Amino acid sequence: GNSVTQMEGPVTLSEEAFLTINCTYTATGYPSLFWYVQYPGEGLQLLLKATKADDKGSNKGFEATYRKETTSFHLEKGSVQVSDSAVYFCALRVSGSARQLTFGSGTQLTVLP
Amino acid sequence: GAGVSQTPSNKVTEKGKYVELRCDPISGHTALYWYRQSLGQGPEFLIYFQGTGAADDSGLPNDRFFAVRPEGSVSTLKIQRTERGDSAVYLCASSARTGNGELFFGEGSRLTVL
Repeated sequence: GNSVTQMEGPVTLSEEAFLTINCTYTATGYPSLFWYVQYPGEGLQLLLKATKADDKGSNKGFEATYRKETTSFHLEKGSVQVSDSAVYFCALRVSGSARQLTFGSGTQLTVLP
Repeated sequence: GAGVSQTPSNKVTEKGKYVELRCDPISGHTALYWYRQSLGQGPEFLIYFQGTGAADDSGLPNDRFFAVRPEGSVSTLKIQRTERGDSAVYLCASSARTGNGELFFGEGSRLTVL
């Protein structure tokens, strides 16, 4: 079956620190990969995505590269801000699957000033 | 520019009661999804509608759970004979079409069964 494994949180960083949140996946097909973010009091929002191997998704200073050889899609940001504090979810979708997204368990990020 | 709207935002009920949760998707979105999110977990798929019909309901945990979308817009998730284990945040999402993976989520309905 399909599954997503994220690094366990919570993660606490100081402002301007470098961020990595690890994500690995198992998929029966050839998946598209996503990072969703949930800010306090808001619904999940798409942060970035990549649809094929070696693609890099990027948005708001965040990046993630689709690595087929390591089945990974790690989220990175070079300099985090207090406003990045949120829960981050890695997710996958296998082509043809009407279920759309399979999510990881989420990683809580807190950025301190 | 309304997003996905879910009501109620919070619902507290007693074990054994019947509950309805409503989702109003983004106008024009044909695909609608229900997910359930337990504390500390990622969202888990429940059911997916394309238009009025349930295209995939394989995520519904048992026959106490049912969802409808009679006019292809608003959807209602119905839970009969609620149990304490049903306590979770129920998320609704919509998308303009299937297959592109970009879902727009509501803020969720938090259900607490006492």
